Amino acid sequence: AQKVTQAQTEISVVEKEDVTLDCVYETRDTTYYLFWYKQPPSGELVFLIRRNSFDEQNEISGRYSWNFQKSTSSFNFTITASQVVDSAVYFCALSEAAATDKLIFGTGTRLQVFP
Amino acid sequence: AAGVIQSPRHLIKEKRETATLKCYPIPRHDTVYWYQQGPGQDPQFLISFYEKMQSDKGSIPDRFSAQQFSDYHSELNMSSLELGDSALYFCASSSRLAEYEQYFGPGTRLTVT
Repeated sequence: AQKVTQAQTEISVVEKEDVTLDCVYETRDTTYYLFWYKQPPSGELVFLIRRNSFDEQNEISGRYSWNFQKSTSSFNFTITASQVVDSAVYFCALSEAAATDKLIFGTGTRLQVFP
Repeated sequence: AAGVIQSPRHLIKEKRETATLKCYPIPRHDTVYWYQQGPGQDPQFLISFYEKMQSDKGSIPDRFSAQQFSDYHSELNMSSLELGDSALYFCASSSRLAEYEQYFGPGTRLTVT
């Protein structure tokens, strides 16, 4: 069965600190996709990244970076030099490679960045 | 670029009433998904449609039904509403051309009183 675990329920940091959000997944499929979404207080789901199971390269986008390690079934997300605007709930999600497969979300990590 | 449109954005209903949520996918997207997010919870998959046929079904109550129409928009019908149905309902759309990446709408916040 597919499962996504985000063990960190809530993280608080002070602005400019670096913070890493952990994501561990379970799947029996050899082909799958991993995602990160941001949900600010306004409620919408903002897509951040999608990574397929055959691409283990780390990715960096501005202050955001992602570390995908199949050996540990982890897909961690790091925010460098955090800002107050980064305060949100962050969800990690998993889907099979089937064309119309649903997303399985983790329980989310609430990040609070204080000035 | 056009995004997924959901209407209404907010809806207040009383117990035992009926509600209809609408979703207009991104043009040329052929797949629609519905998710329910309760307060403080993660989004849970309800149902999906591909080319107007139901493609997958999650933990959707029997009181709920949905369909995708010829113009690819979708409606989620909810009857005999319960207090526990209060949630944020997201619609997402995708297509082969978009490599089936799911684009989410802004959500409909349903409050049942």
